[in-house]
Amino acid sequence: DTAVSQTPKYLVTQMGNDKSIKCEQNLGHDTMYWYKQDSKKFLKIMFSYNNKELIINETVPNRFSPKSPDKAHLNLHINSLELGDSAVYFCASSQDLGSEQFFGPGTRLTVL
Amino acid sequence: GESVGLHLPTLSVQEGDNSIINCAYSNSASDYFIWYKQESGKGPQFIVDIRSNMDKRQGQRVTVLLNKTVKHLSLQIAATQPGDSAVYFCAEPPPGGKLTFGQGTILTVHP
Repeated sequence: DTAVSQTPKYLVTQMGNDKSIKCEQNLGHDTMYWYKQDSKKFLKIMFSYNNKELIINETVPNRFSPKSPDKAHLNLHINSLELGDSAVYFCASSQDLGSEQFFGPGTRLTVL
Repeated sequence: GESVGLHLPTLSVQEGDNSIINCAYSNSASDYFIWYKQESGKGPQFIVDIRSNMDKRQGQRVTVLLNKTVKHLSLQIAATQPGDSAVYFCAEPPPGGKLTFGQGTILTVHP
């Protein structure tokens, strides 16, 4: 069973479009995260939700909007996609804040 | 082979050699560190952790050394295998949950 899953694995789209990435965890964790990894492999946190409440919101353009319908899901919606949004986006979850984080397989977003 | 983190983000070794991956941190109050391994096309995966009350933590082929005086930790992999090829990150997970990753070191193991 996959602990943290993301869909889609690959996403290719045109500039200006709106797209969503979905994440689900079956570990029973309370906390979920979104990270962005650029072409130089640098991983940076974007958002964190704890029990469906937003607790970490880094300096991210407001075109990015996370949504957590329940503790097991954290989706990422991106409006008006730009070339610079091209990256690999990782979802992660942890039992609580500060605990070991488990990462999903990533979604490679390519904006043309 | 040995990396120096930010100044040498790639490390190439021959199969069977020992590898040393280095990481420097800036927050002297950091008391917990995790090493993650990220294989190609996959998400980061927990390898080993170490708390600041320890100087060394040893696994089967993996040893973590922590030098709090110079704020430096290293990941040593003995008898490196092709399956060890990956990007290795050190990370500081503070209680607030905002995990801070280092730049990462790309380890390539040649058969």
